[in-house]
Amino acid sequence: SSELTQDPAVSVALGQTVRITCQGDSLRSHYASWYQQKPGQAPVLVIYGKNNRPSGIPDRFSGSSSGNTASLTITGAQAEDEADYYCNSRDSSGNHPFGGGTTLTVL
Amino acid sequence: EVQVLESGGGLVQPGGSLRLSCAASGFTFTSHAMSWVRQAPGKGLEWVSGISGSGGNTYNADSVSGRFTISRDNSKNTLYLQMNSLRTEDTAIYYCAKDTYSSGFHRFDDWGQGTLVTVSS
Repeated sequence: SSELTQDPAVSVALGQTVRITCQGDSLRSHYASWYQQKPGQAPVLVIYGKNNRPSGIPDRFSGSSSGNTASLTITGAQAEDEADYYCNSRDSSGNHPFGGGTTLTVL
Repeated sequence: EVQVLESGGGLVQPGGSLRLSCAASGFTFTSHAMSWVRQAPGKGLEWVSGISGSGGNTYNADSVSGRFTISRDNSKNTLYLQMNSLRTEDTAIYYCAKDTYSSGFHRFDDWGQGTLVTVSS
């Protein structure tokens, strides 16, 4: 199956740690990448591979994977982290479906 | 500086056609696969189509297979998406994204600002 499943919404208190998960069979064979999207803006890559951050992404963002689940963790969430987050991975057909997205609210 | 700039969006009637373009600069175009990703109003991201750096391999989501064709002109550093038999559900912002594979890891590391396609009578 090429489907990736995410919780629709997650909330976190300012300065606390939050984990956003993504489940799918393809994650047993391929690492996920994670994208942050703020209203009216294009998506931005925040994590890829085992736990790689592009330049300019704060080190409070980290990634991990186990079995069919990939996780994006924000340690010490900031107000500016409030956004939609999407996971993505390759499936067996060579396609790259996205998860349904998780809306993160920072309280 | 990497830049990808989409164009060609607009209003089209159901059953009509439209061709999107994405002009790329700031990187070796032939070394990267490219993709189109769309986002319907108020909805999530949907990967639509992808093409290898040479153009020899293409991939499509089931939702557009047989209607959309992705292609590229490496001499012009330009990516295209030919959209035929458009449906109202194809209404979305269409993003062009640069694919990168390194160390076995894939990601879309550069995105355009998108072009809006509206399918309506």
